[in-house]
Formats: sequence, structure tokens, C-alpha cells
Amino acid sequence: GQQLNQSPQSMFIQEGEDVSMNCTSSSIFNTWLWYKQDPGEGPVLLIALYKAGELTSNGRLTAQFGITRKDSFLNISASIPSDVGIYFCAGPRRRDDKIIFGKGTRLHILP
Amino acid sequence: DVKVTQSSRYLVKRTGEKVFLECVQDMDHENMFWYRQDPGLGLRLIYFSYDVKMKEKGDIPEGYSVSREKKERFSLILESASTNQTSMYLCASSFRQGAAGEQFFGPGTRLTVL
Repeated sequence: GQQLNQSPQSMFIQEGEDVSMNCTSSSIFNTWLWYKQDPGEGPVLLIALYKAGELTSNGRLTAQFGITRKDSFLNISASIPSDVGIYFCAGPRRRDDKIIFGKGTRLHILP
Repeated sequence: DVKVTQSSRYLVKRTGEKVFLECVQDMDHENMFWYRQDPGLGLRLIYFSYDVKMKEKGDIPEGYSVSREKKERFSLILESASTNQTSMYLCASSFRQGAAGEQFFGPGTRLTVL
């Protein structure tokens, strides 16, 4: 079935660095969603992308809907300690429109 | 401020016990979901409900059942808890289904089955 593959699985960066992560699939998605889960909390929607090639920003976060519709990217500029958490990509599965989630990228920020 | 609450943040149960996980949302959402989250596996859908008394199986329903008697409340039931059901359980709700419906999550219940 459709799957979302996120990379990297985890990242260790210094505060102030920029971050890039991606999400790929062997099949096409018509919507890409990016969620963030803070430690001890449920995921929260950061950005939704609805059109191939679309680039959308939310503060220091920028996400892109890949032209092939098989991938999406999330960038965080000038990371700060509160960016720590797990970032999930998600999208609607074709057969039943249910949202499926990638396995997540865990972001650690070194002091 | 939208809110999804879950009855317990942490729960410890014994093998064979019946376990109830409760979820309440105050947004008048039609759709509610139960997921489990395991390291390396991400979020997997157990059950969802699109209306009162309506339910559908998700991807991993075995060993679970659900109840939705009121619009705001969605309960997950483990009839006979087993150690492989030790996990983080997340409830979510949305106004619309599919990609158009942003899902709002509760804080999660970390269940340990001994």
C-alpha cells in the first residue's frame, strides 16, 4: 500500500542552524501535510500543501510540494530550542482518503 | 481555543484487564480517530468514527473496539489487554474527512500493560 518515507530518522543540530527534512513516496499524493509533535503532546498541523510545486511558509518554516507529487520538503531556518520534537509528514491515502503518517523525523538541538 | 482531552496521561494495567481510554472534544467535530504511536512505526490508525454510533476499522483494529454514544466522546476499549498493546494512544478529531480536515490531537495516553 501507499507509504510515506521520512528522512532523516533523527537529526542533531546546533541552535541557530537551518534544518532540512523530506518525505517521499512511491505513489502520488494530492495533498501533503506537515505536523509537529512536541515532547509529551499530540501532533499539531504546521503546514498543508495542496498543489504541485507549491511553496508555503509559516514563520521560520517553509514546506514545498514536489513537482512529481511524490515528495515534500520541510525547512526550518535559524533553529531555536522550542523546535525540538518529532516532525511528521502525512497525506490522504488514495483508496479511502484516510490520512496516513510517515514515521517521523526527530529533531534534537544541542546547546 | 480548540481542545481534545484524554482521560489519562499515564495508565498501567495488567494482562487480561479490560481497559477504557476516553477522549472528549469540544469543537463539535463529526470525525474522531484513535491512533497508536510506537517508536519507528509512526502513527497507525486503529478506528475512526464519522458520526454518533458509527465506526469503521482502521489499519490495526485487532484487539480493540470503540464506542461513540455522544458526538463529543469517543472511547477506545481493550477487551483483554496484552503486553503488545503497550503504547502511546492518541485521539484526534476533525470537522471534515480526508485531506480537507485538519486533525486536532489530544495529548496522548501512555499505556503500559504488565
